[in-house]
Amino acid sequence: DAGVTQSPTHLIKTRGQQVTLRCSPISGHKSVSWYQQVLGQGPQFIFQYYEKEERGRGNFPDRFSARQFPNYSSELNVNALLLGDSALYLCASSLVFGNEQFFGPGTRLTVL
Amino acid sequence: AQKVTQAQTEISVVEKEDVTLDCVYETRDTTYYLFWYKQPPSGELVFLIRRNSFDEQNEISGRYSWNFQKSTSSFNFTITASQVVDSAVYFCALNDYNTDKLIFGTGTRLQVFP
Repeated sequence: DAGVTQSPTHLIKTRGQQVTLRCSPISGHKSVSWYQQVLGQGPQFIFQYYEKEERGRGNFPDRFSARQFPNYSSELNVNALLLGDSALYLCASSLVFGNEQFFGPGTRLTVL
Repeated sequence: AQKVTQAQTEISVVEKEDVTLDCVYETRDTTYYLFWYKQPPSGELVFLIRRNSFDEQNEISGRYSWNFQKSTSSFNFTITASQVVDSAVYFCALNDYNTDKLIFGTGTRLQVFP
């Protein structure tokens, strides 16, 4: 079975632009979470979606938004990019609420 | 507030040495889960273990073992007979039971030299 997949792998944007990151969970998994990992730090929680409903939101500005589709895949959108948004964005999926989360390879976003 | 502390920033050992990675957590929840993840240079977080707050039994999986002590709010991870392939950053995490978000520590970079 395929693991969590994310696209694109790498992305370079300039300040002020908008970006959309995509995530496909493990087949059968209904929960998707997004994390931001800045170099040298642990991942920070951005959003969780379960059964297409937002179940949790981290301490991130409104420039960050996400959604989950009927097939349980998810998109993370970031508007008005800042230099500080440069990070590895990780997507994780779990079977149901409360189970272990399995992570994808991440999307490395560089904002110039 | 919930928090995970990994005081060891970096550990270097020689192959075949045993090494213990420390993790201390804070939470007011009575029900919670603790996790360990491995992050090799490729960047992908690899799930190692999940432990719930009601199960204080130690766990062993091959060369890996985990010691959960509620009395000291610690969940330490030991690698026996370390190998070069164990070189990675290891993260301890706590979940927020209400939102299911993971709260990560800052990680411990383990370098195993041949």
